[in-house]
Amino acid sequence: GQQVMQIPQYQHVQEGEDFTTYCNSSTTLSNIQWYKQRPGGHPVFLIQLVKSGEVKKQKRLTFQFGEAKKNSSLHITATQTTDVGTYFCAENTGNQFYFGTGTSLTVIP
Amino acid sequence: DTGVSQDPRHKITKRGQNVTFRCDPISEHNRLYWYRQTLGQGPEFLTYFQNEAQLEKSRLLSDRFSAERPKGSFSTLEIQRTEQGDSAMYLCASSPSRGQLNEKLFFGSGTQLSVL
Repeated sequence: GQQVMQIPQYQHVQEGEDFTTYCNSSTTLSNIQWYKQRPGGHPVFLIQLVKSGEVKKQKRLTFQFGEAKKNSSLHITATQTTDVGTYFCAENTGNQFYFGTGTSLTVIP
Repeated sequence: DTGVSQDPRHKITKRGQNVTFRCDPISEHNRLYWYRQTLGQGPEFLTYFQNEAQLEKSRLLSDRFSAERPKGSFSTLEIQRTEQGDSAMYLCASSPSRGQLNEKLFFGSGTQLSVL
């Protein structure tokens, strides 16, 4: 299957600092979805991006889809302890959902 | 609760035993997916159903794994002759429709399998 790579694998930040995770693909993506998985929990859908260069915001979270539709980023401004978890990007091809490797975020109070 | 439910939440078994997991998707969802997740990794696709039809199965999946969705509602995933390498979280997810690109997955809480 397709491989979507995410970096970094782990990130520790002080509460209040910003955080960014990047999702990269060697092939053009149909779309990109982002999911959040809290420790001990299951992935929960956050958002989907479809258009080249698309940017969407959810409160302190900003999602971006690259112009070439081969990469995406999730940026969190002024992290809070409630942001702790693993963030996954995924592509929905219509038949399959291919997940990235995830970025685990730890927020230090 | 109308979300995706999985049973059991935890399963500990001895190597060589068979185990079966159950997933009840959101009732109006046609598609049902099984994923496996190990620590520090993203969900790995195992198989999916459109109603009762199993449309795709991962080529990496051993023949010891089988899944059914007999009436297009709940699904079961069976692992025969379990091995220690089967230890993982088994996640079930469902989606509403017929493979449209704007769909999203709704996950259950998973079954954590430990093979001793």
